[in-house]
Amino acid sequence: LAKTTQPISMDSYEGQEVNITCSHNNIATNDYITWYQQFPSQGPRFIIQGYKTKVTNEVASLFIPADRKSSTLSLPRVSLSDTAVYYCLVWSGGYQKVTFGTGTKLQVIP
Amino acid sequence: NAGVTQTPKFQVLKTGQSMTLQCAQDMNHNSMYWYRQDPGMGLRLIYYSASEGTTDKGEVPNGYNVSRLNKREFSLRLESAAPSQTSVYFCASSEFLRGPEDEKLFFGSGTQLSVL
Repeated sequence: LAKTTQPISMDSYEGQEVNITCSHNNIATNDYITWYQQFPSQGPRFIIQGYKTKVTNEVASLFIPADRKSSTLSLPRVSLSDTAVYYCLVWSGGYQKVTFGTGTKLQVIP
Repeated sequence: NAGVTQTPKFQVLKTGQSMTLQCAQDMNHNSMYWYRQDPGMGLRLIYYSASEGTTDKGEVPNGYNVSRLNKREFSLRLESAAPSQTSVYFCASSEFLRGPEDEKLFFGSGTQLSVL
């Protein structure tokens, strides 16, 4: 299983764009990159997934370079409600094989 | 559409007591999971059930038992609670359709358990 490394915490002011980078140097050919978001006192929820290049949805964008050894979750113009822990996962199917690390704790400041 | 429902939301036990955490999903998912989350530890998989009638150990199964009662329900039992089992417990479900590109985990809102 590919090991992921992401910052433990980040602070950002409201209205700024936030980029959280995840390193996964030993990603396998079949692996996907998936991000989950967890608000305090709630279970995590899926926000975005990609295999290569760029993926965008209504919540975030995910940038994956050609070598796929890292990925960047981009949150546009964050608000206080984006304060949460963000988990980067690398996997190829079957969540029983996935390890959730400690994630990146994003604190949005007024 | 409720998604994944866990009961109870809070529970306080004394050491040695037993209890069962209930989980039900209404999305017709085959796979279900139990995780625990401790401060600074992230989420750790206790048990999972890939389909009705099957269960397998995850990373931290000691002290727990599970039952996949039917496709909807997956319960977690603590036979003799210990203070080390004080944690927040999350149930989740997923469905593997065509491939990983389709599979997402859906979590319940959690059970906060304290063992005194």
